[in-house]
Amino acid sequence: GAVVSQHPSRVICKSGTSVKIECRSLDFQATTMFWYRQFPKQSLMLMATSNEGSKATYEQGVEKDKFLINHASLTLSTLTVTSAHPEDSSFYICSARDPNPPGHRAFGPGTRLTVL
Amino acid sequence: DAKTTQPPSMDCAEGRAANLPCNHSTISGNEYVYWYRQIHSQGPQYIIHGLKNNETNEMASLIITEDRKSSTLILPHATLRDTAVYYCIVSASAGGTSYGKLTFGQGTILTVHP
Repeated sequence: GAVVSQHPSRVICKSGTSVKIECRSLDFQATTMFWYRQFPKQSLMLMATSNEGSKATYEQGVEKDKFLINHASLTLSTLTVTSAHPEDSSFYICSARDPNPPGHRAFGPGTRLTVL
Repeated sequence: DAKTTQPPSMDCAEGRAANLPCNHSTISGNEYVYWYRQIHSQGPQYIIHGLKNNETNEMASLIITEDRKSSTLILPHATLRDTAVYYCIVSASAGGTSYGKLTFGQGTILTVHP
């Protein structure tokens, strides 16, 4: 199956700073990627859909100015958490449509963000 | 996307079959049933998916009822490494505004005991 990577795997930052998380499709092109957030002992919550060459589509309740998404190439989407606060501490996971087999999604390993 | 209902937790003895049920009574004709699992602090892993026929791969079998309102994921010989949260999701495979979006419920925490 297709492989999706994320970088960094873990990041600790101070409150008020911005953090960028990268999501790459390693062996396939992904015109669409998805960003999820997962708090401890909770399920994954879809934050936004990242579209190559166009604006991201955000789910209701997700602040687009706080969670900036850029999908500049067919293999890379980035999520930037701006002016991070402790309540943004979470596990961020990206996903892309896997072309083989068609229909399912490949997920990245996740990025653990801790805001002090 | 149609909603799914899964038991919050299940136990299974190592080496035995684990049968995880899922109800999706509002599934539409173009929606597939997907199963993913998430081991602690990792990204979800694809297991299997199907439309209406039963499916089998190297990881598991998927049994879908004839009316498609429920399904069962079968891990034939569970191991300790199968301990994870298992998510049953229904989603359109192609077309429609929901294509590609997977909405996760609470899933089933499967614990495999020695």
